[in-house]
Amino acid sequence: DAGVTQSPTHLIKTRGQQVTLRCSPKSGHDTVSWYQQALGQGPQFIFQYYEEEERQRGNFPDRFSGHQFPNYSSELNVNALLLGDSALYLCASSLEGGSYGYTFGSGTRLTVV
Amino acid sequence: AQKITQTQPGMFVQEKEAVTLDCTYDTSDPSYGLFWYKQPSSGEMIFLIYQGSYDQQNATEGRYSLNFQKARKSANLVISASQLGDSAMYFCAMREVNDAGNNRKLIWGLGTSLAVNP
Repeated sequence: DAGVTQSPTHLIKTRGQQVTLRCSPKSGHDTVSWYQQALGQGPQFIFQYYEEEERQRGNFPDRFSGHQFPNYSSELNVNALLLGDSALYLCASSLEGGSYGYTFGSGTRLTVV
Repeated sequence: AQKITQTQPGMFVQEKEAVTLDCTYDTSDPSYGLFWYKQPSSGEMIFLIYQGSYDQQNATEGRYSLNFQKARKSANLVISASQLGDSAMYFCAMREVNDAGNNRKLIWGLGTSLAVNP
């Protein structure tokens, strides 16, 4: 049973560019959450998707947007990249409606130069 | 505002000994959940143990146990019989649950770096 799969694992972008990160949830999970983890920090919640809708959002600018597809996979898009967007981006999947467990992927390490 | 505090930036422990990693939390909601995750250098967050706010007993999962003191708002992780593979970052996180039982976001501490010495 595959866990959470994130792609790509690493990427380097230039300031001002746009990036798309992808996440495939654990089989059977229907909710996807995205977190940003800067170096030496704990993860910060970006947003959560359920039934293809953004259900909850953290304190991130509109440059951060996302999408959830009918197969529950998700994308995180970041426009107009800043140096401060360099971080590990973690995707977590879970089952809505009672299960408390979150399964995380290995993350995408984004470096903005 | 909800907050998780981990006051130990780094900890050292000898192999086969026990170690306690501290976590205190702050929330006004009566219903919440507390998690501990392990993050090795690869980056993946590995679930270790969970404690619900209404659970009567402290959670245990193999070598991991959670010392839950609700009145003091603390949820310390105890790792028994440390192994070299336990060297990693450890994060305490809190989740709030709304009335419908829906998952909410996790709020994280800054983490504790654990080094197990042979």
